[in-house]
Amino acid sequence: QTVVTQEPSFSVSPGGTVTLTCGLKSGSVSTSYYPSWYQQTPGQAPRTLIYSTNTRSSGVPDRFSGSIRGNKAALTITGAQADDESDYYCALYMGSGISVFGGGTKLTVL
Amino acid sequence: QVQLLQSGAEVKKPGASVKVSCKVSGYKLTELSIQWVRQVPGKGLEWMGGFDPEDAETIYAQIFQGRITMTEDTSTDTAYMELSSLESEDTAVYYCATVHWISGVIITGYYFGNWGQGTLVTVSS
Repeated sequence: QTVVTQEPSFSVSPGGTVTLTCGLKSGSVSTSYYPSWYQQTPGQAPRTLIYSTNTRSSGVPDRFSGSIRGNKAALTITGAQADDESDYYCALYMGSGISVFGGGTKLTVL
Repeated sequence: QVQLLQSGAEVKKPGASVKVSCKVSGYKLTELSIQWVRQVPGKGLEWMGGFDPEDAETIYAQIFQGRITMTEDTSTDTAYMELSSLESEDTAVYYCATVHWISGVIITGYYFGNWGQGTLVTVSS
């Protein structure tokens, strides 16, 4: 069974920069997994932030960026704002129509 | 702009089945691929399955095999997810989402685009 790993929690100061990662328990994440990132606030549906590793979804501010760092996918928030405080999920495409989500990272802005 | 409107909350007894709907507006259902994701309260997102635009077939996550059925009614642009043999562990918010597959020269990808508002299914005796 494929396990996608994310940091359970992270904190960042307002205006600061934070990088969240998305890895595989076994193996390395590459662009071939088409990493995507989703933001979710309590009680709300997820919102698509990034797809295809580094393409921002429509309306997503450019302070959000995606990349591959080493053997993981990464989501970087530059100039964090209070309303960036959310849960962030990555998803990897495993092929044959199968997607796997990471466990999510709870980001605190304080 | 695609909008997905899901049916309302459900309360079911263990062993029962639930059928959640997801009505598409702004596009025809035949132009989209719909998949389903659930979220147990306080937990993360879990992919359940749906229509795979890459292989043009419906696929289900292995853990739900045998008790999940996803269907579509193109006359009403509505997708359905039915889960049977419910247990308390199936208490969750169920989301439908559009899935996009890009197979281009410059960019390729597979991702969830638009999301429904979610449907809470509570399984309790």
